[in-house]
Amino acid sequence: SQQGEEDPQALSIQEGENATMNCSYKTSINNLQWYRQNSGRGLVHLILIRSNEREKHSGRLRVTLDTSKKSSSLLITASRAADTASYFCATAFSGNTPLVFGKGTRLSVIA
Amino acid sequence: EAGVAQSPRYKIIEKRQSVAFWCNPISGHATLYWYQQILGQGPKLLIQFQNNGVVDDSQLPKDRFSAERLKGVDSTLKIQPAKLEDSAVYLCASSASGERYFGPGTRLTVT
Repeated sequence: SQQGEEDPQALSIQEGENATMNCSYKTSINNLQWYRQNSGRGLVHLILIRSNEREKHSGRLRVTLDTSKKSSSLLITASRAADTASYFCATAFSGNTPLVFGKGTRLSVIA
Repeated sequence: EAGVAQSPRYKIIEKRQSVAFWCNPISGHATLYWYQQILGQGPKLLIQFQNNGVVDDSQLPKDRFSAERLKGVDSTLKIQPAKLEDSAVYLCASSASGERYFGPGTRLTVT
């Protein structure tokens, strides 16, 4: 079964706008990871946030984690057409246990 | 560093035929994963290896799927016999710690 559930399922924005995607999960986790998948390509790791962290930044990406609400958000600022992809959150119960992926959010950035 | 290599990239077979996929992980990564990604869904873990031992194969349909990692480096995943519902992208990933590095995947079409 898939633990993470991304919301929305699809998102379409104009270039330059910010994009926010949310992920909810059901059980306690060790860490939560966000991945990007371009059409026809493999998954690329974006950010890993541990259960004792609340926020992490990487370039134009900002990830928050609220363990009390069992939710995370991914914010992409100043979006570009190249950000068009599917974004998945994945949860892990411990450092090297299997990641459980959600169904993803399909982001379309229109130039 | 070289990424995770997979072959073939595409495969079309008829149902009840056999197929095998190959994966070469990033050098030095002890953990190797095989995921199945059906169109429109997130990846689902099939099997996880730690060196040449199986850590988790709870979601591997063992009546038709098998995988091995004999020397603790590269790995093969086999399906015998294939069913229509096996049509998917098969992703291999490796890791040294929490972050997974994914290969480009093998797109399997069963007709």
